Amino acid sequence: DQQVKQNSPSLSVQEGRISILNCDYTNSMFDYFLWYKKYPAEGPTFLISISSIKDKNEDGRFTVFLNKSAKHLSLHIVPSQPGDSAVYFCAASSRDSNYQLIWGAGTKLIIKP
Amino acid sequence: EAQVTQNPRYLITVTGKKLTVTCSQNMNHEYMSWYRQDPGLGLRQIYYSMNVEVTDKGDVPEGYKVSRKEKRNFPLILESPSPNQTSLYFCASSIAWSSADTQYFGPGTRLTVL
Repeated sequence: DQQVKQNSPSLSVQEGRISILNCDYTNSMFDYFLWYKKYPAEGPTFLISISSIKDKNEDGRFTVFLNKSAKHLSLHIVPSQPGDSAVYFCAASSRDSNYQLIWGAGTKLIIKP
Repeated sequence: EAQVTQNPRYLITVTGKKLTVTCSQNMNHEYMSWYRQDPGLGLRQIYYSMNVEVTDKGDVPEGYKVSRKEKRNFPLILESPSPNQTSLYFCASSIAWSSADTQYFGPGTRLTVL
């Protein structure tokens, strides 16, 4: 029973266009959400996060949107660049579970030149 | 350079032969954790440690042991590895357990158990 789901295993986007990665969750107790980025042969690196009290957080080209009623969050990358090609993981945590991270399966983003 | 290191990076072994994967961080972090990554499942937590001598089970602890005798090191021990423990393993650390959501990861250890 996956509490965090990324339903698209892969996504291909033209360079310069917007990339939208989606994530759904089932546990309404989650109060903090994160996106990590992973290149081959490396560990995941933190990208951006959002608290459940917000619905949007922006950091340069990266914006995360949270829709609590739909239990859905998305990561927007604008404009997409070749270096953005990586696997993106969505993760969620709650204070009640000692901030243990629950991870989605990941989406492989491919930016086409 | 602030980092989490793991050794070995790659390991092929046989069923039942005890092995240890080392993890070390140089950031004076209190919280450390081990994950395994399997296709289609994302990362799943094996064990975590909130501080020296304090460890607890994650979601998939069966077949694994850990110890935290020093703040910087958090080795993962497989006493009797089995083929279903073939996976990609990541060690991670964060400043404190309350910051466990934002973690720094090692480069990974790819383990194959024959």
